[in-house]
Amino acid sequence: DTAVSQTPKYLVTQMGNDKSIKCEQNLGHDTMYWYKQDSKKFLKIMFSYNNKELIINETVPNRFSPKSPDKAHLNLHINSLELGDSAVYFCASSQGLSGTQYFGPGTRLLVL
Amino acid sequence: GENVEQHPSTLSVQEGDSAVIKCTYSDSASNYFPWYKQELGKRPQLIIDIRSNVGEKKDQRIAVSLNKTAKHFSLHITETQPEDSAVYFCAAHKGDYKLSFGAGTTVTVRA
Repeated sequence: DTAVSQTPKYLVTQMGNDKSIKCEQNLGHDTMYWYKQDSKKFLKIMFSYNNKELIINETVPNRFSPKSPDKAHLNLHINSLELGDSAVYFCASSQGLSGTQYFGPGTRLLVL
Repeated sequence: GENVEQHPSTLSVQEGDSAVIKCTYSDSASNYFPWYKQELGKRPQLIIDIRSNVGEKKDQRIAVSLNKTAKHFSLHITETQPEDSAVYFCAAHKGDYKLSFGAGTTVTVRA
């Protein structure tokens, strides 16, 4: 019974396309995150939502637009995909400010 | 913002030996320090964490220590086993929703 889930697991697409990644958590947490992990394995926060409100936006290009329809879901839409967007995108969730963050399985995005 | 540095970037140990990974942080307001293990192709998973009111914490073969004055913390894995091979990340958090990660340490346990 999956705690944090993401779809799709793999995404291969052409430059210039628009794509979305979805995340859901069934832990009852109030805070959700998107991270990007590049080819060197570095984990960088992109966005954080608390109770459906944007808390952190870490200088991410405005081609990336997160959306949280409710506390259990956080989606990421990416417009005009570029080669440099190729990475693994992880969703995570936590309860409150300093709660432990639990990660989803990741979405491996490859832009050709 | 918070800056977390992690060393070494790679670590190769003989099975049964110990592995030590060290991290430093810049913001004295940071008060929560988790460690994540990421196996190849998998998600990061929390293995142990420590809060600023504690100096050391141990869970079986894994221990973490924190020196608030020096702003550094470290992970110790004793009696390493092949399944300990993974990338390990330290992180620092100051209660503002933002977890700052180190660059990761690739640990290889040689049989």
